[in-house]
Amino acid sequence: EAGVAQSPRYKIIEKRQSVAFWCNPISGHATLYWYQQILGQGPKLLIQFQNNGVVDDSQLPKDRFSAERLKGVDSTLKIQPAKLEDSAVYLCASSLTSVLQFFGPGTRLTVL
Amino acid sequence: QKEVEQDPGPLSVPEGAIVSLNCTYSNSAFQYFMWYRQYSRKGPELLMYTYSSGNKEDGRFTAQVDKSSKYISLFIRDSQPSDSATYLCAIPQKTGGNKLTFGTGTQLKVEL
Repeated sequence: EAGVAQSPRYKIIEKRQSVAFWCNPISGHATLYWYQQILGQGPKLLIQFQNNGVVDDSQLPKDRFSAERLKGVDSTLKIQPAKLEDSAVYLCASSLTSVLQFFGPGTRLTVL
Repeated sequence: QKEVEQDPGPLSVPEGAIVSLNCTYSNSAFQYFMWYRQYSRKGPELLMYTYSSGNKEDGRFTAQVDKSSKYISLFIRDSQPSDSATYLCAIPQKTGGNKLTFGTGTQLKVEL
């Protein structure tokens, strides 16, 4: 069974630029999560989708971050404009049962 | 008080040692307790999970929950250099779609 796929793996941008990350969950997993992991910290949830609907986006900085999951499968997370403090690893996870979440390799973002 | 607290380490042990990794949590309503392992520049990998109190064993790994003291532990027997990683405890919150609240992670190094 293929795992959660994410791309790109690494991205370096300058502040105020925009960036987008892509996630393809495990086949059949209805729930998809985006987490932000800052160096030395545990991941923090940004947004959760159930199929193509948003379940929780309370921690998403909506003035600059957006996410969509239009067909209930793939998802994209966008940051526009990026700030220095957005430097982090962006992790996508998917779940069949909600309790057991499986993570992708992450996208490491550096904002200069 | 943080919902989940974990000593960040780093923890360095010789090969073959027994390792004890610990977290405390604040909400007595939590039911599931997860341990993830994260190698450098990789996504978190689900290692073990337990439901309610008690022990769960899987090979060299034992997860233990003490709900009376809100304390969770992961024991690694006969530790190997390949166990060198960051270990994250995580607790799904029943409200809000089971989003995971993570500890900061404990960095473990097993030395030859």
